[in-house]
Amino acid sequence: GESVGLHLPTLSVQEGDNSIINCAYSNSASDYFIWYKQESGKGPQFIIDIRSNMDKRQGQRVTVLLNKTVKHLSLQIAATQPGDSAVYFCAEMGQAGTALIFGKGTTLSVSS
Amino acid sequence: ETGVTQTPRHLVMGMTNKKSLKCEQHLGHNAMYWYKQSAKKPLELMFVYNFKEQTENNSVPSRFSPECPNSSHLFLHLHTLQPEDSALYLCASSQDWGRTGELFFGEGSRLTVL
Repeated sequence: GESVGLHLPTLSVQEGDNSIINCAYSNSASDYFIWYKQESGKGPQFIIDIRSNMDKRQGQRVTVLLNKTVKHLSLQIAATQPGDSAVYFCAEMGQAGTALIFGKGTTLSVSS
Repeated sequence: ETGVTQTPRHLVMGMTNKKSLKCEQHLGHNAMYWYKQSAKKPLELMFVYNFKEQTENNSVPSRFSPECPNSSHLFLHLHTLQPEDSALYLCASSQDWGRTGELFFGEGSRLTVL
């Protein structure tokens, strides 16, 4: 199954399901977006990025979708595994030479 | 192993102590960062160094003092901290500043201020 909707602080899924994590960004001038994963006891780890001239980008088991009209970003994880359990953060960047702004995280819990 | 090493991993200090956090990156990157991560809050950028020059100071109190002696090392000197400064302090590096969103983070230094 899938879970969609507005930003949720937590998301629980069954192993093998698809997961969708949502993020709303605030700055319409932002043109570069990134997803990070943070496992317990570790620092954030880069997953995938997308620039504003694209609306979809795929990686290994992950897809990022960008809807600039509603300033919405999502991360889709296919066939979610227990090792995907972590906190996921979206981040945005405006013009070159500006800092990444991180959003609030979503905690993904995957049960077997 | 991300190529970014932070020490110490855990630190407990009193409000009158002076301590330092250390970060070292083995990736040949030009930009280094300090972030603060508190519970229930987004990551907060504190400082950015690009080619050893400070490019960002995000209104951080002077009780936090960064030092970047070379492109591979970054320090955060701590002095007369407050209990609300207790947090996870993350160091990161990137190939360059302001063009890539791919930051490489260390595992963080967990700071507790008593």
